[in-house]
Parts: sequence; structure tokens; C-alpha cells
Amino acid sequence: DAGITQSPRHKVTETGTPVTLRCHQTENHRYMYWYRQDPGHGLRLIHYSYGVKDTDKGEVSDGYSVSRSKTEDFLLTLESATSSQTSVYFCAISESVSGTGGTEAFFGQGTRLTVV
Amino acid sequence: RKEVEQDPGPFNVPEGATVAFNCTYSNSASQSFFWYRQDCRKEPKLLMSVYSSGNEDGRFTAQLNRASQYISLLIRDSKLSDSATYLCAVKAAGNKLTFGGGTRVLVKP
Repeated sequence: DAGITQSPRHKVTETGTPVTLRCHQTENHRYMYWYRQDPGHGLRLIHYSYGVKDTDKGEVSDGYSVSRSKTEDFLLTLESATSSQTSVYFCAISESVSGTGGTEAFFGQGTRLTVV
Repeated sequence: RKEVEQDPGPFNVPEGATVAFNCTYSNSASQSFFWYRQDCRKEPKLLMSVYSSGNEDGRFTAQLNRASQYISLLIRDSKLSDSATYLCAVKAAGNKLTFGGGTRVLVKP
């Protein structure tokens, strides 16, 4: 399995509090992605990164920010959590920096976030 | 219109039968295509990449139709263990990776 670790795996937080989810990879992959998955909506892209300090918005980026200060870490921050952000969050990585291997993405195990 | 669309199903399939389903995409400049499998409460796992000429991996066959902008997945000789949600993914320029909503497959004895 690809070396992707998401933390925390489960979190319950209160409305209005800031929350940061971490995605850590040991694969030296260039691209990193944050998705949320909700019943009836499938996987929706929040933000993605194509290199250190290079990020772009996905289809559901409102209320979320990201940072990537080094290749191995991609942080997702909810500045002020709302109940609508209760979801399962998945991180994914793709494409080795060295250019070897294919273009497929590999996923972390997910973070289950509940905002009460 | 969503960028990537799938029939949510469920497709109820007798064990041993063949099932096929499609995934349509709207961006004609899409470059790479994939099928993932997701089990309940688990992360998606790559099933197979989809190549222009079509490709097969055991009981699974994937096809790409660029003219009509869809990819397909066919499962032959369905097993109970094939019950899962199958997600298609499309990678466009800039490596933006977009997923469909998934097709649920239930294989029954």
C-alpha cells in the first residue's frame, strides 16, 4: 500500500472551531488532493496541490484552505467548522516527483469529521 | 452538468453473470482515466487504469470511447466479492482528478 497517513482518523468538533486535517506521504509524489465524500455526492474535490506551495481549488473549496510547505505534507483547514462540513475526508497522492510509475492516485484511509 | 457522471445503481447481478456500466465525462481534453473500487466505509482503491485501446485485467475489462466521451467497465463471471461501489475518475490538464458519484454493484447468490 502507498505510504499515506491521514490524521486524525476521527474527530468531533464544535461549530465555529478551527480544524486542521493532515495528510502525510512517504512516496515523494508530486500531486496531493483533498476530497470529501458524502452520501449521494460521491467524492468531491476540495483542493489539490501540484507542488510545494502550489495549490488550486476544486469544486467545493468554500470554507476550506490548504497549505503545502513541504512535499510530504498537505494540510486541510476548516477555519470555522460548520455542520455542513460533517463528512469523510480523503487525501490522495499521485505521480512520483522522479517521473517513474503511472499517473494513478492512491488514497489515505480517510478522516471522519463530525461537527456538532 | 457534472464533469463526471455515473449511474448510481444498484446493479443487482446474479453470481456468475456479466455486468457492465458506463461513466461519462464532459471535458474533451481529459487525459487519463481510471476505475476505482470502494468498499463500505473504506478508501477507494485503484482497480485499473483505462487505456485508449481498451484493457483487460482478469475478469475486468475497461474501454474508452473518446468520441462519445465515456469509459466503461465490464465484469465477467461476477463473484460475491465483487459487490462494491465502482468509481470512475478522470484526470484533466493540470492533473485535476475528478470522480463520478459511483455505481453500486450487488452480486447475489
